[in-house]
Amino acid sequence: DGGITQSPKYLFRKEGQNVTLSCEQNLNHDAMYWYRQDPGQGLRLIYYSQIVNDFQKGDIAEGYSVSREKKESFPLTVTSAQKNPTAFYLCASQPGLAGYEQYFGPGTRLTVT
Amino acid sequence: GQQLNQSPQSMFIQEGEDVSMNCTSSSIFNTWLWYKQDPGEGPVLLIALYKAGELTSNGRLTAQFGITRKDSFLNISASIPSDVGIYFCAGRRGGSEKLVFGKGTKLTVNP
Repeated sequence: DGGITQSPKYLFRKEGQNVTLSCEQNLNHDAMYWYRQDPGQGLRLIYYSQIVNDFQKGDIAEGYSVSREKKESFPLTVTSAQKNPTAFYLCASQPGLAGYEQYFGPGTRLTVT
Repeated sequence: GQQLNQSPQSMFIQEGEDVSMNCTSSSIFNTWLWYKQDPGEGPVLLIALYKAGELTSNGRLTAQFGITRKDSFLNISASIPSDVGIYFCAGRRGGSEKLVFGKGTKLTVNP
């Protein structure tokens, strides 16, 4: 059963703590993406990675960090430097040069208090 | 970052009615994608378009890649209650690995 998994679905943290969101795909896609979604807003790109061990900043990378040590995994860390971390976080993958269609995971809702 | 202009922002329709929404940009795009998102879930890809003028259907959904390559349209025929959700357009410019998203059209269908 191929797809993208994100865990956990809901995450609660205290202000000042770093938190890591998981994203795994078994679609053999080359590219992976992290987006942030706020109520009534479109999707804003945080980071993306085209190949293993390489990633680029998106439009709102400040306060976030990522790693891409394996093709199937692209975890996102929300650091204490992110001023407004409460949001819905979406991970997506894309075949790469073979196609430009992005497929999304179910999302993680992070609440920081 | 740039965002696409998606309209309308919201629609309230009766079951059985047809729906039209669109996305426009000041830039030329090589790819247009349409997604549907249910509350608390990730967006699901509905239709992908790759050629100017292309018209593609997926069941009751039909999407078109505008001939100017600066716009795209999504039509839903004979709407049903499960069509409720937020519909997003996304576009990709030539040479870019990134998608640009619209802010979404929220569709409400009254039975």
